[in-house]
Amino acid sequence: KQEVTQIPAALSVPEGENLVLNCSFTDSAIYNLQWFRQDPGKGLTSLLLIQSSQREQTSGRLNASLDKSSGRSTLYIAASQPGDSATYLCAVSSYSSASKIIFGSGTRLSIRP
Amino acid sequence: GAGVSQSPSNKVTEKGKDVELRCDPISGHTALYWYRQRLGQGLEFLIYFQGNSAPDKSGLPSDRFSAERTGESVSTLTIQRTQQEDSAVYLCASSLSYGTALGCTFGSGTRLTVV
Repeated sequence: KQEVTQIPAALSVPEGENLVLNCSFTDSAIYNLQWFRQDPGKGLTSLLLIQSSQREQTSGRLNASLDKSSGRSTLYIAASQPGDSATYLCAVSSYSSASKIIFGSGTRLSIRP
Repeated sequence: GAGVSQSPSNKVTEKGKDVELRCDPISGHTALYWYRQRLGQGLEFLIYFQGNSAPDKSGLPSDRFSAERTGESVSTLTIQRTQQEDSAVYLCASSLSYGTALGCTFGSGTRLTVV
């Protein structure tokens, strides 16, 4: 059974810092791993999708890496801005979870001006 | 359409009433998911549709919850005899297919408040 864990649960950093959010999963037989952003009271916005055969994806100041063998993914945010404040969710689709996309509980990020 | 559309965006209902939530997936997406998110909580899987296959209903919390989807079109989630614990944001997502290397796209959700 696939389980997804995100550490830390909350993070507060000053503006301009680079930061890393962590996601771990128990079953490495995955189809893909997706990072989402959720603003308070809003739906989910897809940030980056890493397919099973890929090691990383980049979009602007965001870089996501995937290491299937260790069951880990990281989301790197460069030069953080107050507008980056949101909850970041990691989600995995895998053989063992059948039709369910399994979500981590998220990291609540706050960027201080 | 260009994205996943959910309606209504907000719904306030009295305890005991039935409600129907609608999800219009991206055209051509065969897979459709419903999730529930209570305030301050993570996403709970409710139900999954894949084309004309039997849906995976394993996440529905009680028999008051049901969902339908005809083919690859609109899906409706119905909650009968609503209770206060049903208050949450109900999120719908679609993808081209499960079991591929493709990700999913979420709608903006329906915020349900049972008073």
